[in-house]
Amino acid sequence: AQSVTQLDSQVPVFEEAPVELRCNYSSSVSVYLFWYVQYPNQGLQLLLKYLSGSTLVKGINGFEAEFNKSQTSFHLRKPSVHISDTAEYFCAVSDQGAQKLVFGQGTRLTINP
Amino acid sequence: KAGVTQTPRYLIKTRGQQVTLSCSPISGHRSVSWYQQTPGQGLQFLFEYFSETQRNKGNFPGRFSGRQFSNSRSEMNVSTLELGDSALYLCASSVGTAPFYEQYFGPGTRLTVT
Repeated sequence: AQSVTQLDSQVPVFEEAPVELRCNYSSSVSVYLFWYVQYPNQGLQLLLKYLSGSTLVKGINGFEAEFNKSQTSFHLRKPSVHISDTAEYFCAVSDQGAQKLVFGQGTRLTINP
Repeated sequence: KAGVTQTPRYLIKTRGQQVTLSCSPISGHRSVSWYQQTPGQGLQFLFEYFSETQRNKGNFPGRFSGRQFSNSRSEMNVSTLELGDSALYLCASSVGTAPFYEQYFGPGTRLTVT
């Protein structure tokens, strides 16, 4: 079975600083990876996804992620964060390509002014 | 297009009761998935329905069940509620063939069991 590990449960950063949220997945023949964001009292919103092709994936709100097969990682980055990026971020893998996502435990990103 | 809607948004039930949650997918989406979110266990997949058939199932007891109607709307039911069933239940609808699909999540139903 697929699994995902988010290495940091909380990440505090200052506004306009860069941020990296780390995600490692269990290896598999085919890997489909996603990052979702959850704002307080809301559902999940897709930030970006890797299905195939270029290992650098660009998403919404200035986020990007790099798929690294040798490191089995899919870290999320943003060069300059804003207060509005305060939220919980979830890395997820599709279980064998099915419409069944396996999520990491989440990383709470806190932006300090 | 309207997003995924879930009703009710908040629900308080007593241990031993049963509950039904509803999810209306985005128009044209035929797949509906359900997830449970708790502080301890995180986000866990419950089941997925496509064209009124359960296509995938997570590791939850039989007290958790679901169904999908011909208009793609879905309901999930939890019988004999336990305190541990308190959670945010998220529904997601999707379109496209695996793995080239994208799941759109609703705002969730927060269930509190007392």
